[in-house]
Amino acid sequence: QSALTQPRSVSGSPGQSVTISCTGTIIDVGAYKFVSWYQQHPGQAPKLKIYDVTKRPSGVPDRFSGSKSGNTASLTISGLQADDEADYYCTSYAGDFNLVFGGGTKLTVL
Amino acid sequence: QVQLVQSGAEVKKPGASLKVSCQASGFTLTGYYIHWMRQAPGQGLEWLGWINPTSGGTNSAQKFQGRVTMTGDTSFTTAYLELTRLTSDDTALYYCARAGSGCGGDCPYWYFDLWGRGTLVTVSS
Repeated sequence: QSALTQPRSVSGSPGQSVTISCTGTIIDVGAYKFVSWYQQHPGQAPKLKIYDVTKRPSGVPDRFSGSKSGNTASLTISGLQADDEADYYCTSYAGDFNLVFGGGTKLTVL
Repeated sequence: QVQLVQSGAEVKKPGASLKVSCQASGFTLTGYYIHWMRQAPGQGLEWLGWINPTSGGTNSAQKFQGRVTMTGDTSFTTAYLELTRLTSDDTALYYCARAGSGCGGDCPYWYFDLWGRGTLVTVSS
């Protein structure tokens, strides 16, 4: 299974919006509505931000939103805050009970 | 407090095997799947596989098949990851994470709502 493709880095100023893309193929992102997004601050375990493409776990602010079009999923963070600076990873179900991760994106809040 | 408690850091020699544990605290693993991921220093996350501790069913990423074994204890509180024939490329922080399920446990959810803090494994001669 090949890793999903994410930009290595994105940046934005406080209050702005940023979008992180996650590109897969017709057998993973394109085939299922099982894309998730995780935020990882340095030295910490990842935290779930979005699951099943668009759903937010309890406690995650609505500044975080997810979407999908074709083989590409996206995470949008609006109203950027300093604490949003972190690494972000997407995952997708890839069939046959397998999961695949994206390579990760470093978000810098300027 | 609901958490996953992982075993402590380990140093292994090339060719050796490792066994990492992941203990559920504040809940039991019944109805959940435990997935294992790893993160090499400065690198991204990599999925290794999952175990359904209730049924004993497992699946691992193709890259690790033949080298990885995932098991659970009979009290449904602890999951284990074993990885054999270690090389320096296996040096990483190993995480366990919880995924829920539907259909009475037969339909795994593909997201992780609870993660352990990680177990650092260093492979060095």
